Amino acid sequence: GAVVSQHPSRVICKSGTSVKIECRSLDFQATTMFWYRQFPKQSLMLMATSNEGSKATYEQGVEKDKFLINHASLTLSTLTVTSAHPEDSSFYICSARADWQPQHFGDGTRLSIL
Amino acid sequence: KQEVTQIPAALSVPEGENLVLNCSFTDSAIYNLQWFRQDPGKGLTSLLLIQSSQREQTSGRLNASLDKSSGRSTLYIAASQPGDSATYLCAVKASGSRLTFGEGTQLTVNP
Repeated sequence: GAVVSQHPSRVICKSGTSVKIECRSLDFQATTMFWYRQFPKQSLMLMATSNEGSKATYEQGVEKDKFLINHASLTLSTLTVTSAHPEDSSFYICSARADWQPQHFGDGTRLSIL
Repeated sequence: KQEVTQIPAALSVPEGENLVLNCSFTDSAIYNLQWFRQDPGKGLTSLLLIQSSQREQTSGRLNASLDKSSGRSTLYIAASQPGDSATYLCAVKASGSRLTFGEGTQLTVNP
């Protein structure tokens, strides 16, 4: 079945560092990719939606300058957390789908900012 | 604004028991409803997807029902096993591309 690969699975870094997370669709062309954030024991919160070659659409309250999203190709989207601080520590999950198909999810990235 | 609620928040059962997880949503104008499984520290695995025109879907020991008019769905797990222990998330797809998730039911099946 469809596979979405997310890398890295875990990141620990110092405050002020910028961190890039990659999301790849391995066996299908993802016309749309989604980035979610999940706090402990809570559900997924949609951060932004991106279509290949277009600027991402951010949800209300999500800082676009803080969370840079690039959907450069039909198989790759990246989320860069710029100048990360401890409050950015969270579990980030990407999802991808082809036109009119269900979403497939990556395994998530655990980000810990010291 | 669509809101999705899952009850109970946590459930602990002995192995072999049949169980039901509940999901309710406020806006019945949905395209589909999906049940996911999430293991600790992992992403989501899709279990069942029910289109708005369907009333139920089955996969192995899992059966999901949908009553769109009342805004409810249930996930029935038969003969539960310790390997079923996980968090189960319900999500509805309404307008646009957005999935709205519930907060999940954390299931523990004890050997």
